[in-house]
Amino acid sequence: GQSLEQPSEVTAVEGAIVQINCTYQTSGFYGLSWYQQHDGGAPTFLSYNGLDGLEETGRFSSFLSRSDSYGYLLLQELQMKDSASYFCAVRANTGFQKLVFGTGTRLLVSP
Amino acid sequence: DTEVTQTPKHLVMGMTNKKSLKCEQHMGHRAMYWYKQKAKKPPELMFVYSYEKLSINESVPSRFSPECPNSSLLNLHLHALQPEDSALYLCASSQEVYTGELFFGEGSRLTVL
Repeated sequence: GQSLEQPSEVTAVEGAIVQINCTYQTSGFYGLSWYQQHDGGAPTFLSYNGLDGLEETGRFSSFLSRSDSYGYLLLQELQMKDSASYFCAVRANTGFQKLVFGTGTRLLVSP
Repeated sequence: DTEVTQTPKHLVMGMTNKKSLKCEQHMGHRAMYWYKQKAKKPPELMFVYSYEKLSINESVPSRFSPECPNSSLLNLHLHALQPEDSALYLCASSQEVYTGELFFGEGSRLTVL
């Protein structure tokens, strides 16, 4: 099976930088995605890492180390609207490819 | 159109009722998914359709019955549900199954009495 671990909650202030870590155990690993979900809303795609290294998209960056089974999401210049839950998700192949979500990290941004 | 539309947004049903959740996308995506999400938990995969064929059933009880009438539509038929099935049911789509980028609908919040 698969398991993905994230910190349950992270707090930060506006303008700060925060890193949300994700460690995973899975067979047939293909890549790591990150999703944001506001309370009452739908998960929305943020980024995908299929290869080792850093992917940057505006204020958000995502990193993957396949050898360490580890990735992180880096959020810069935090804004109040960034308060949400963040999920890492592994694309794995256990006969069929599927996307399995991590435990989720609740980010609280304060003024 | 980059939306996945789900109806109804809210549904309350008794344990003996039969109801259906509907999902529609017009992005030309060939993979569609049902996920179940409980409060403060991650989405849990239920079913995956690829090119209108069921490719993954995550050992979901038979009281949940998926249907993919065509490449744009996905239904989830509900029958004889239990109170513990109350959750947010999320539909998603993607270009193919071989991707980490899914587009999610807003979900149907189901309450089983």
